[in-house]
Amino acid sequence: GAVVSQHPSWVICKSGTSVKIECRSLDFQATTMFWYRQFPKQSLMLMATSNEGSKATYEQGVEKDKFLINHASLTLSTLTVTSAHPEDSSFYICSARVPGGELFFGEGSRLTVL
Amino acid sequence: KQEVTQIPAALSVPEGENLVLNCSFTDSAIYNLQWFRQDPGKGLTSLLLIQSSQREQTSGRLNASLDKSSGRSTLYIAASQPGDSATYLCAVRGNQGGKLIFGQGTELSVKP
Repeated sequence: GAVVSQHPSWVICKSGTSVKIECRSLDFQATTMFWYRQFPKQSLMLMATSNEGSKATYEQGVEKDKFLINHASLTLSTLTVTSAHPEDSSFYICSARVPGGELFFGEGSRLTVL
Repeated sequence: KQEVTQIPAALSVPEGENLVLNCSFTDSAIYNLQWFRQDPGKGLTSLLLIQSSQREQTSGRLNASLDKSSGRSTLYIAASQPGDSATYLCAVRGNQGGKLIFGQGTELSVKP
């Protein structure tokens, strides 16, 4: 299957700092990528749809100024958690869709805000 | 609004047993349905993708079926192994837009 790489896999930061997470499609071009958030023992919650060359589409209740998404190329989308607080601690997962419709996920990034 | 439900939430079986995981969805107007596996602290691994026009897909010991009219899908795992222990998630993609809606998952434990 297609490969989606996420970096970093884990990060610890102080409250008030910003953290950037990268999502790359390694062997295909992805015009659309998706960012999810997952709390322990819960399913994935879609945060936003990242569109190459245009603004991201955010789900209801997700602060776009808090979670900045940039999709500058066909193989890279970034999620920046700005002014992170402990309640932002979570597992963030990105995904990308291949032309056939199948969705492939990155390994996830665990963010811990102290 | 599409809702996806998975039953059971958790399942424990002895090694070698055949098992079925269930997934139901409320809106039958789907584009496709995808089954994933998630190991603790990891991302999702795609297992099977069923297009709306298909009835089933098979990969090795896994078989997924889709009954769109009744809003159901099952994932059949044959001859289960301890390495199959993980959380299994189903997700549906609607006809309108590309969003994938996930179920809560079934946490499977296969005992040696």
